[in-house]
Amino acid sequence: DVKVTQSSRYLVKRTGEKVFLECVQDMDHENMFWYRQDPGLGLRLIYFSYDVKMKEKGDIPEGYSVSREKKERFSLILESASTNQTSMYLCASKPPGRPLETQYFGPGTRLLVL
Amino acid sequence: AQTVTQSQPEMSVQEAETVTLSCTYDTSESDYYLFWYKQPPSRQMILVIRQEAYKQQNATENRFSVNFQKAAKSFSLKISDSQLGDAAMYFCAYRSITSGSRLTFGEGTQLTVNP
Repeated sequence: DVKVTQSSRYLVKRTGEKVFLECVQDMDHENMFWYRQDPGLGLRLIYFSYDVKMKEKGDIPEGYSVSREKKERFSLILESASTNQTSMYLCASKPPGRPLETQYFGPGTRLLVL
Repeated sequence: AQTVTQSQPEMSVQEAETVTLSCTYDTSESDYYLFWYKQPPSRQMILVIRQEAYKQQNATENRFSVNFQKAAKSFSLKISDSQLGDAAMYFCAYRSITSGSRLTFGEGTQLTVNP
């Protein structure tokens, strides 16, 4: 069974802090994704990665960066957290050769920025 | 750009009854895919059902079926014989065939199932 894990279920940070959200998948998937989920807005793609050290901007990359040093790990970085980055963050990964919609999602990290 | 709209933020249904969740979308493309995802409380989001735009036949997966109206750009999800485990947030999503590197999601509909 594919497992996508996220380092924290809940996180509270202060404005201006550097925040790392970690995502790990155990099935050698090449494609990994970071979304944020907000009430009334659904899921929006922040960044995605096709392979190690590769990254592509999604629809809302401003204020975020990512790191993919190893295939199994995709990190989302908030360089200087702001209150408008309070949200639920979902990570996902996709098996090679399968269509985009067959993403496996993690349980999510609820981030509160004070 | 494509947009997906779910106009029902919340819906409720009695156990064993049928409920329909609405979704409309806007696109200038003729070929694309549409999906419904389910996000149970505190659990991972999963793909429920998939519809290819060039297929006229509505997709069905057990108790889940869709009503795909291409001309109206409408894609509703029908859940028959609702069960307590169907309680979840449901997202409608779109994927382009020509530029299919991302999914476009709707706002979501929170479904409550009453015993």
